[in-house]
Amino acid sequence: DAGITQSPRYKITETGRQVTLMCHQTWSHSYMFWYRQDLGHGLRLIYYSAAADITDKGEVPDGYVVSRSKTENFPLTLESATRSQTSVYFCASSVARSAYEQYFGPGTRLTVT
Amino acid sequence: AQKITQTQPGMFVQEKEAVTLDCTYDTSDPSYGLFWYKQPSSGEMIFLIYQGSYDQQNATEGRYSLNFQKARKSANLVISASQLGDSAMYFCAMREVTNAGKSTFGDGTTLTVKP
Repeated sequence: DAGITQSPRYKITETGRQVTLMCHQTWSHSYMFWYRQDLGHGLRLIYYSAAADITDKGEVPDGYVVSRSKTENFPLTLESATRSQTSVYFCASSVARSAYEQYFGPGTRLTVT
Repeated sequence: AQKITQTQPGMFVQEKEAVTLDCTYDTSDPSYGLFWYKQPSSGEMIFLIYQGSYDQQNATEGRYSLNFQKARKSANLVISASQLGDSAMYFCAMREVTNAGKSTFGDGTTLTVKP
């Protein structure tokens, strides 16, 4: 399917476990982003990637790891999940120009118990 | 550091009336893009409208227009002829030209359209 997909859509995990959220886009966009959205709030940038093998921290990177070996994939790993990481996670992609909007995936709702 | 401020946590508007959602921003980059997104209760993020920092005219997209006042660093969204389907959370966002990866969102405004 064309577009940007995220998996899983819902995940419940326990404190201390490692969990990976997947993001895949079919447009060959150079930029990809990970955001978290806490209940009733806006999106906060966790990490972004300008191209394959190029990643950089956003506003709230602590506790997260990203990689981007292929242009189309941008997985986000929580190394040791904490309750404070309970959130909705959005992946997005865009072309390499600030004038262009980001295309968002459907989101992953993560609950850490 | 770039920053987006949306001072209206919630707004109400009567169906068919116009409404303005406020957004102010701060950045040291002279070149940037401003965006508005809509998030309905189903959760997806929908792009509405874009304004470039050097654009001379205010952006318009159908019933959406952006009231861009560069000197005041404001980028307010105007929705004309509100519809019940406009009820949603609305986010203002910014991307800087020098680092298009740095993207900042405001905390959003919840708009409720009354019949």
